[in-house]
Formats: sequence, C-alpha cells, structure tokens
Amino acid sequence: AQTVTQSQPEMSVQEAETVTLSCTYDTSESDYYLFWYKQPPSRQMILVIRQEAYKQQNATENRFSVNFQKAAKSFSLKISDSQLGDAAMYFCAYRSPNNNDMRFGAGTRLTVKP
Amino acid sequence: DAGVTQSPTHLIKTRGQQVTLRCSPKSGHDTVSWYQQALGQGPQFIFQYYEEEERQRGNFPDRFSGHQFPNYSSELNVNALWLGDSALYLCASSIGRGASGTDTQYFGPGTRLTVL
Repeated sequence: AQTVTQSQPEMSVQEAETVTLSCTYDTSESDYYLFWYKQPPSRQMILVIRQEAYKQQNATENRFSVNFQKAAKSFSLKISDSQLGDAAMYFCAYRSPNNNDMRFGAGTRLTVKP
Repeated sequence: DAGVTQSPTHLIKTRGQQVTLRCSPKSGHDTVSWYQQALGQGPQFIFQYYEEEERQRGNFPDRFSGHQFPNYSSELNVNALWLGDSALYLCASSIGRGASGTDTQYFGPGTRLTVL
C-alpha cells in the first residue's frame, strides 16, 4: 500500500523568506499524482499544487513550486517570499490513477514570523 | 461559483447515537469522497460515491454508510457512535471520468463531530 511521510511536524519561516517542506512516499506504481494541500485554522483543505508523475517538469504556482524526484520518491514544496497568510498545516498527498482514494501524510505545521 | 459546502459545521452526539452529515459538491462535479481527519492527523479515506453508487471504500466498518442523490449531493451516516469517531469529517468533490476519476479533489470546510 502506498504511504506518505512528512518528517517535519513543524517548520518556521521569517516573513519574505523561503521555506521547503519535505515529503516522501512509498509506491510500486510508475504513474500517479501528487498534491500539496494547505489547511488553515478555518479547516478547509485548499489545493496548493499538483504534479503528475509522468511529467518531468516540476509544477509551479506563483510563489509555490515543487521539487519532484521520482527515483528518490521525494516531493518537496518550496514557498518563496513567505507571507503571514501562508501559516497553516500543509499536507502532502498521493493518488493512484487506478484508485479513488488519496493517501495523506501527517502534515507539517508552518509558522510565519513577522 | 459555489464551492463544496457541508452541514452542519459542528455536531455533538453521545455514544450509541447515529449521525448524518451532508455535502453539496462544487458546481459541475459529480463525484463525492468522504474523509475522516482525527485531531493532529491527515485525512483518511472513507468512501467515494459516483453515479449514486459507492465506487470505492476505505478501511472503515459498516457503521459508516453513505448515499448520493441525483443532484450529486451526498450524505455520510455513522451508526452506533463511539468516542473514537470524534473527528473532522471532510467531503471532497471531483469530476469522475470513467471508472476512476483522475481529476483533482476540492474539499469542503468539514463537519466537526464530537462524541461524548
């Protein structure tokens, strides 16, 4: 079964600086999807970024980018120019194309210091 | 464009009772998935509904059941509640193409269930 591991329970970053959140996963599949979701105190899970495993190019969404290392089964999220509104729980998630559930990591709590 | 909505926001029940949670998917979406998120953990998949049928189920007992209506909205029912069912219940909607929906799932704000 696929598992997702986030080894950093908490991270902290100074406003306007850059932070990287780590995620590793375990799978025997060659094709799959990876996601980063943000969950602020309001509880709503918000999609940050998505990566298809067959794509070599790392996904980017404004200040958010990923470093996808397929061979290493690593999928880290980089947040540039951190803002106070980025403070939240961040969850990494894996989804198989032949399966309908998403496997989530335990999450990383990001604090942004002014 | 309305996003995924869930009701109620909070709910308090006692052990042994039954509960029904509701979800309306994002406009244009036809697939609803339910997740349970215990405090301090990531969400865990309960089941997914597509075309009014349960398409896939996670590792949850039969006490957890669901339903999808013709307008694609969905209900999650939990019977014989026990303390361990206290959690945030998240609904996610997506577009289910063919046998397995590969589109991105969009989440609602969740229902916080407390079992006393």
